[in-house]
Amino acid sequence: GAGVSQSPRYKVTKRGQDVALRCDPISGHVSLYWYRQALGQGPEFLTYFNYEAQQDKSGLPNDRFSAERPEGSISTLTIQRTEQRDSAMYRCASSLTPTSGGLYEQYFGPGTRLTVT
Amino acid sequence: KQEVTQIPAALSVPEGENLVLNCSFTDSAIYNLQWFRQDPGKGLTSLLLIQSSQREQTSGRLNASLDKSSGRSTLYIAASQPGDSATYLCAVRNDYKLSFGAGTTVTVRA
Repeated sequence: GAGVSQSPRYKVTKRGQDVALRCDPISGHVSLYWYRQALGQGPEFLTYFNYEAQQDKSGLPNDRFSAERPEGSISTLTIQRTEQRDSAMYRCASSLTPTSGGLYEQYFGPGTRLTVT
Repeated sequence: KQEVTQIPAALSVPEGENLVLNCSFTDSAIYNLQWFRQDPGKGLTSLLLIQSSQREQTSGRLNASLDKSSGRSTLYIAASQPGDSATYLCAVRNDYKLSFGAGTTVTVRA
């Protein structure tokens, strides 16, 4: 079956512009996660949804970052008034279970490479 | 806060040699540990997932061990090939979050 898909794959934007990054999880996966990966580092957690409910947004760096998943499937991560320090790879993952703990692994999409000039 | 460390940061070996990649974590209350492979410009490919109750997991030439009490995992890749060249990431799961190490970049020389 289809894996996690993300779009766009690459985004170049000017400082001060808003950007929206899209994630389409694996069909039937109820949990969705956003991570950000700086060059040479591992991904860092941003936010997490069970169905349409945002359960944890503690990893969002500041209030310019927001995420939604209105129908419990596709999710959008929005960055307002982008800054150069926002340049990174943004990765989305999904998993089967909404419960904490559990045994299910997270499946990652190809990521969106964001460059702010 | 969970801290994950991977040593070494980079590794270069001749083809055929066995690879040993190390991962350590500070909070032993994990649900599972995953090893991922990352290729430039591509997504993360899950290689192995070890549940917290398991000691090791094997897939082909790959074997991963887990010592939860000491906060350590080791990924072994037998008889390395040039196609194994990539960055390998270790991630531990506490509740729903994955915490990643910075990775080990492996180069296998033909």
